[in-house]
Amino acid sequence: AQSVTQLDSQVPVFEEAPVELRCNYSSSVSVYLFWYVQYPNQGLQLLLKYLSGSTLVKGINGFEAEFNKSQTSFHLRKPSVHISDTAEYFCAVSDYDNQGGKLIFGQGTELSVKP
Amino acid sequence: DADVTQTPRNRITKTGKRIMLECSQTKGHDRMYWYRQDPGLGLRLIYYSFDVKDINKGEISDGYSVSRQAQAKFSLSLESAIPNQTALYFCATSDSEVDTQYFGPGTRLTVL
Repeated sequence: AQSVTQLDSQVPVFEEAPVELRCNYSSSVSVYLFWYVQYPNQGLQLLLKYLSGSTLVKGINGFEAEFNKSQTSFHLRKPSVHISDTAEYFCAVSDYDNQGGKLIFGQGTELSVKP
Repeated sequence: DADVTQTPRNRITKTGKRIMLECSQTKGHDRMYWYRQDPGLGLRLIYYSFDVKDINKGEISDGYSVSRQAQAKFSLSLESAIPNQTALYFCATSDSEVDTQYFGPGTRLTVL
């Protein structure tokens, strides 16, 4: 069975510092990988996704993630964060072999950017 | 106007009551999903539908039922609400298994 583990439940960071949010997954088949962001009192929106091809994926708002098949990881990074990046971030996996479109979400990481 | 809408946005109810949460979308997507979000647990899939005639149970379907009234509408019902169904509920839509899922704003449900 697939699973997703986000290794940090909370990440506090100062404004303009770099940040990495860690995500590991387990799956017996090839996967699609996603990062979603949830701003306070809102639904989720897509930051970026990996389907195939280049292992470095660039998303919105300056975020990027790197797919590492050998380490089964898909860590999210941003070189310099802003106060407005304060939100909860979810890693998710979807596999090729199921009927499609079912996402398994991680537990979420709360990113808190302080001035 | 929002592409995915949910009603109500907030609801407080009592144990044993029947509750329906509604979701509508204007994106023209065939696939629709219901999730619940609990602190520290992320989002868990309750039910999903790949078209009007296709309904599937997700990870945590016990105590819930759904109805796909049309391509654009997907309702979630709690036949007899219990306090541990207190959570934030999200509806989402997508066009395919590789496509982005688009989420509604959520319904905060409290069962007393």
